[in-house]
Amino acid sequence: GAGVSQTPSNKVTEKGKYVELRCDPISGHTALYWYRQSLGQGPEFLIYFQGTGAADDSGLPNDRFFAVRPEGSVSTLKIQRTERGDSAVYLCASSIGLAGGDEQFFGPGTRLTVL
Amino acid sequence: AQSVTQLGSHVSVSEGALVLLRCNYSSSVPPYLFWYVQYPNQGLQLLLKYTSAATLVKGINGFEAEFKKSETSFHLTKPSAHMSDAAEYFCAVTKAAGNKLTFGGGTRVLVKP
Repeated sequence: GAGVSQTPSNKVTEKGKYVELRCDPISGHTALYWYRQSLGQGPEFLIYFQGTGAADDSGLPNDRFFAVRPEGSVSTLKIQRTERGDSAVYLCASSIGLAGGDEQFFGPGTRLTVL
Repeated sequence: AQSVTQLGSHVSVSEGALVLLRCNYSSSVPPYLFWYVQYPNQGLQLLLKYTSAATLVKGINGFEAEFKKSETSFHLTKPSAHMSDAAEYFCAVTKAAGNKLTFGGGTRVLVKP
């Protein structure tokens, strides 16, 4: 079956612009996660959803970042007034549930470059 | 709070030699531990995970890791490196509730012919 997909694969924008990053999880997976991976670092947690609701958004760096999952499937990460420091690879993952050992399946990421 | 430390951001091994990647964690509760591999321009792929069953965990591609509670370690090994093992490897920890992963900084493996 299809894995996690993310669009676009690359996004170049100018400082101050608004961007949306999309994630299509594996069908039937109730949990969806967003991570951010800066160059040369490990991924850092941003937010996760259980169904439609954000269960934990403690990793969002500030109020310019927002994510939604209105129907419990596709999720969109929204970044307002982008800054050069937002440049990173944004990773999405999904898992069948929220148990500690449930494997998270990762998408290929969206590489965001803010000029 | 949880944290993960991977010793060595880069490791170079000869083809056929032992691969050893070190991971130490801190966690206030019994952890779940994972090793992921990331090939260039690809997503993270799970190699193996520890979920409080056997302390020696076998994964894909000949990798294995041993959970040592006394040393708070979860080192990854492979007896004989292949050229295809060249990639970046990430150790990660989570706890029972919520399942959000905390990653180490990663170790990039270079395999020399």
